[in-house]
Amino acid sequence: DAKTTQPTSMDCAEGRAANLPCNHSTISGNEYVYWYRQIHSQGPQYIIHGLKNNETNEMASLIITEDRKSSTLILPHATLRDTAVYYCIVRVAGGSEKLVFGKGTKLTVNP
Amino acid sequence: GAVVSQHPSWVICKSGTSVKIECRSLDFQATTMFWYRQFPKQSLMLMATSNEGSKATYEQGVEKDKFLINHASLTLSTLTVTSAHPEDSSFYICSARLSSGSYEQYFGPGTRLTVT
Repeated sequence: DAKTTQPTSMDCAEGRAANLPCNHSTISGNEYVYWYRQIHSQGPQYIIHGLKNNETNEMASLIITEDRKSSTLILPHATLRDTAVYYCIVRVAGGSEKLVFGKGTKLTVNP
Repeated sequence: GAVVSQHPSWVICKSGTSVKIECRSLDFQATTMFWYRQFPKQSLMLMATSNEGSKATYEQGVEKDKFLINHASLTLSTLTVTSAHPEDSSFYICSARLSSGSYEQYFGPGTRLTVT
């Protein structure tokens, strides 16, 4: 599975949009971009995934660049409960079953 | 849907004893479950992949005789930490993979193990 690069930490004001970047320059054509988050002392939570089109669900939006070498997770109106470590992972959907977690981005939402 | 539970949520044990952690998929069947370990301020590290009815596959560096994994049914996998030592103190997290459809993984809430 391709490696990803994320900033170590980010801050965001409550109510504002949080934009979390991820670089995955070696992504293969059949690899999806997945986002999970982990709130302190809890198990990871699935957020969203996509292949090449932008995706949106009730939690977030995923914007993938046309060359697919990077993506951005957008939390449109961040709340204090969104404070967590966000992991960007690329993998083949339904293929290699391992999820390889990098260090992720620690997002702190400030009041 | 797709809820995974773990029991216990936290446990304290004495050095040299064994501890069993259960991972259950509550509303779906999971032919494959995964066990992760997470030390403070570090990311999740995959320990092993557990397939129902067969032996688990351990990641490099993980002692299979120390971390016994049993996946006897489609909804239950157990991790037993044998002869626990203080360095085994960690946050243990399981995940279960859907057996069909999206094959997504869903994570349990984790078990905090402290060995004294």
